[in-house]
Amino acid sequence: GENVEQHPSTLSVQEGDSAVIKCTYSDSASNYFPWYKQELGKGPQLIIDIRSNVGEKKDQRIAVTLNKTAKHFSLHITETQPEDSAVYFCAASKNYKLSFGAGTTVTVRA
Amino acid sequence: DTGVSQDPRHKITKRGQNVTFRCDPISEHNRLYWYRQTLGQGPEFLTYFQNEAQLEKSRLLSDRFSAERPKGSFSTLEIQRTEQGDSAMYLCASSPLAETQYFGPGTRLLVL
Repeated sequence: GENVEQHPSTLSVQEGDSAVIKCTYSDSASNYFPWYKQELGKGPQLIIDIRSNVGEKKDQRIAVTLNKTAKHFSLHITETQPEDSAVYFCAASKNYKLSFGAGTTVTVRA
Repeated sequence: DTGVSQDPRHKITKRGQNVTFRCDPISEHNRLYWYRQTLGQGPEFLTYFQNEAQLEKSRLLSDRFSAERPKGSFSTLEIQRTEQGDSAMYLCASSPLAETQYFGPGTRLLVL
């Protein structure tokens, strides 16, 4: 099955700085890569996604890049704010089934 | 609120008891998924439905677990003879025929 690895497991950044989270996947047939934000006691919330025919996608302060050859994708958050503090999960999809990374706990220091 | 809803939000039960969780997907979403999430980990796929048909089940879904989606709308997940290892957050997600999955708030199960 698909194996998704996510790094780092924890990330602390100063407010206003950028945060980068990296993921790798094992199955070259995976073709859809969403990112989710999960706050304590809540379900994962989709924040951005990218399909395998696209190399980069941006939505305001959030961007995702995908390198199909290397089988890795990254989340970039610019101008971080305290409300960005949460656990972020990457995922890879094959046949509509998501395989998740273990998560990155992001803390934005004021 | 037109998001995915789950009931109950929390469940405490004793080992050996049966529990049932309900998921109401976003209206007109054909696909419905169940995932399990343990502390400090990402969600793990359990099973999914397209309309009322259960199309795939994970090896994580032992014989004690059963899921239904009788009319292609809401779904139930039942765990029989619960064990302490079943303690987790059970997440439901729904999607239209596209890939994007939208998650509900989850049901947190504690087996004593």
